[in-house]
Amino acid sequence: AQSVSQHNHHVILSEAASLELGCNYSYGGTVNLFWYVQYPGQHLQLLLKYFSGDPLVKGIKGFEAEFIKSKFSFNLRKPSVQWSDTAEYFCAVNPYGNNRLAFGKGNQVVVIP
Amino acid sequence: DTGVSQDPRHKITKRGQNVTFRCDPISEHNRLYWYRQTLGQGPEFLTYFQNEAQLEKSRLLSDRFSAERPKGSFSTLEIQRTEQGDSAMYLCASSLETSGRRAEQYFGPGTRLTVT
Repeated sequence: AQSVSQHNHHVILSEAASLELGCNYSYGGTVNLFWYVQYPGQHLQLLLKYFSGDPLVKGIKGFEAEFIKSKFSFNLRKPSVQWSDTAEYFCAVNPYGNNRLAFGKGNQVVVIP
Repeated sequence: DTGVSQDPRHKITKRGQNVTFRCDPISEHNRLYWYRQTLGQGPEFLTYFQNEAQLEKSRLLSDRFSAERPKGSFSTLEIQRTEQGDSAMYLCASSLETSGRRAEQYFGPGTRLTVT
């Protein structure tokens, strides 16, 4: 079945540590890729998106993601996290021509001050 | 802030009752989506509208579920004869889709349904 996989569902790290969250998908063909973030008590917000072009995408709050087509991956990174990055992070895939977003299960990230 | 809004934010109901949720999308957005999210899972697609037309429904949307977007603006999602398995967060999203332009979806705060 077509799916979106996120591993390491719970991540705990200290401020200033680097963060990398993996996202792999099983859809073939052209895809649109997204990372959404949900801060405690808030709704899902778009962190960054990839439609085409440069596979290294920069988003808000210092986050970036790299699309590697050959690996069907769209991993999220931040070089130095802050306490305010504590949130749940969701990878989402939109196969081109399909109107729905398929989400992974999310990564719960806790940053310890 | 003119983002996506949903009402109510929380709903507790007894099994067998009917419930209705409302979503107001971002005003100029022509597409409106409904998703459901349960604990420990990412959102799952239920259905979407292009203006007032409901163009796609997931297999998750049983015949107890119905959604409308009568004037192409706000939408309602009704669940009839609720079951405990319907307990979830119901999310609404909207986007502006135009020919040749890909668009991201913007999400509302959700309606948390608890069926007792």
